[in-house]
Amino acid sequence: KAGVTQTPRYLIKTRGQQVTLSCSPISGHRSVSWYQQTPGQGLQFLFEYFSETQRNKGNFPGRFSGRQFSNSRSEMNVSTLELGDSALYLCASSLVPGVGKNIQYFGAGTRLSVL
Amino acid sequence: SQQGEEDPQALSIQEGENATMNCSYKTSINNLQWYRQNSGRGLVHLILIRSNEREKHSGRLRVTLDTSKKSSSLLITASRAADTASYFCATDKSYGNKLVFGAGTILRVKS
Repeated sequence: KAGVTQTPRYLIKTRGQQVTLSCSPISGHRSVSWYQQTPGQGLQFLFEYFSETQRNKGNFPGRFSGRQFSNSRSEMNVSTLELGDSALYLCASSLVPGVGKNIQYFGAGTRLSVL
Repeated sequence: SQQGEEDPQALSIQEGENATMNCSYKTSINNLQWYRQNSGRGLVHLILIRSNEREKHSGRLRVTLDTSKKSSSLLITASRAADTASYFCATDKSYGNKLVFGAGTILRVKS
């Protein structure tokens, strides 16, 4: 079974641009979560999607958005990029959300550099 | 912000020795999990312990949970060079998949 696939693996953008990252979950997994990892703030939860609906959202500005498609694939978008958005963005999938069912399987991440 | 602290921040040991990492958290939880990350890549799930469990084993891993102290420890026995990685604890407290991660411990196992 293929794991969680994130594309692209690396991105270089300039301030003010926007970027879209993609995540394909493990086959059969319907929940997708996104995390941002930086040296200063560590791993922080961005949002979670299940059945094309955002179910949880972290404490990030509205420039960060996401969506999920009917095949469970997810995209996240960051608009008006800032230098501080440089980070490793990780996507994780799980079967369904729910207490006790929270083992999440992570992709290799997309490393975004904002110049 | 992160849920809590992990200590030590970094740990360097010889192959064959045991490695112990600690994690503290701030609020009540449903589950606590440990993940491993190699060189800034994705995280690999190691073990999950529920709030009503006190100890769990998986291969060379042993995890304890003390909810009264809001702390957990991860013990890796007979460490190998391949165990060199960053280790994170993560907690969840509500329905859904929002995990709150600790700052992580960087483990280096020297051969």
